[in-house]
Amino acid sequence: QKEVEQNSGPLSVPEGAIASLNCTYSDRGSQSFFWYRQYSGKSPELIMSIYSNGDKEDGRFTAQLNKASQYVSLLIRDSQPSDSATYLCAVLLNQAGTALIFGKGTTLSVSS
Amino acid sequence: GAVVSQHPSRVICKSGTSVKIECRSLDFQATTMFWYRQFPKKSLMLMATSNEGSKATYEQGVEKDKFLINHASLTLSTLTVTSAHPEDSSFYICSARDSGPYNEQFFGPGTRLTVL
Repeated sequence: QKEVEQNSGPLSVPEGAIASLNCTYSDRGSQSFFWYRQYSGKSPELIMSIYSNGDKEDGRFTAQLNKASQYVSLLIRDSQPSDSATYLCAVLLNQAGTALIFGKGTTLSVSS
Repeated sequence: GAVVSQHPSRVICKSGTSVKIECRSLDFQATTMFWYRQFPKKSLMLMATSNEGSKATYEQGVEKDKFLINHASLTLSTLTVTSAHPEDSSFYICSARDSGPYNEQFFGPGTRLTVL
């Protein structure tokens, strides 16, 4: 059973703090990793993709990948109330048309 | 990111009727599209994988005769919920994977189906 695990939260952080979201996956053959943000009642929005070990930064977001530990994380700097949402970690096993495997998501709440 | 549209955004229908939902990739060609369903406060559930020009692959427990999927072109996939019943009421979301090197997958805005 190929799995993606996330802490469901809620993760509560004050405005301006760093929010750290974590994800582990079971299949060592996983090739690509994605973070989606989903607001209540809306569809998921792709915010970060990462494919190689290390950090990838985009604005206030930093994705970190450690394939040896089968761990991927998302850091949100200077958190804003508008960042309050559910964050979904997704893993792609291979490129042959297979579907992403999603975690159940972590709910983030940023208080002003 | 790439844009995926979905139509209609909201539909209310009577029990026993059929509803068609369209999913389009607007600025890229998608050989693979996916259909998900999400109940309130629940996780995304993959229903089927749709490949252009071939039959869809359905996940276990999803009735292929009830949820008809057609992927006639590289930019359009449709999901038809046949003989809808109140328990089919849900949020249906499509996604499309681009053919670039990173296989990123983009979601449509979703269709909220209410069956009376």
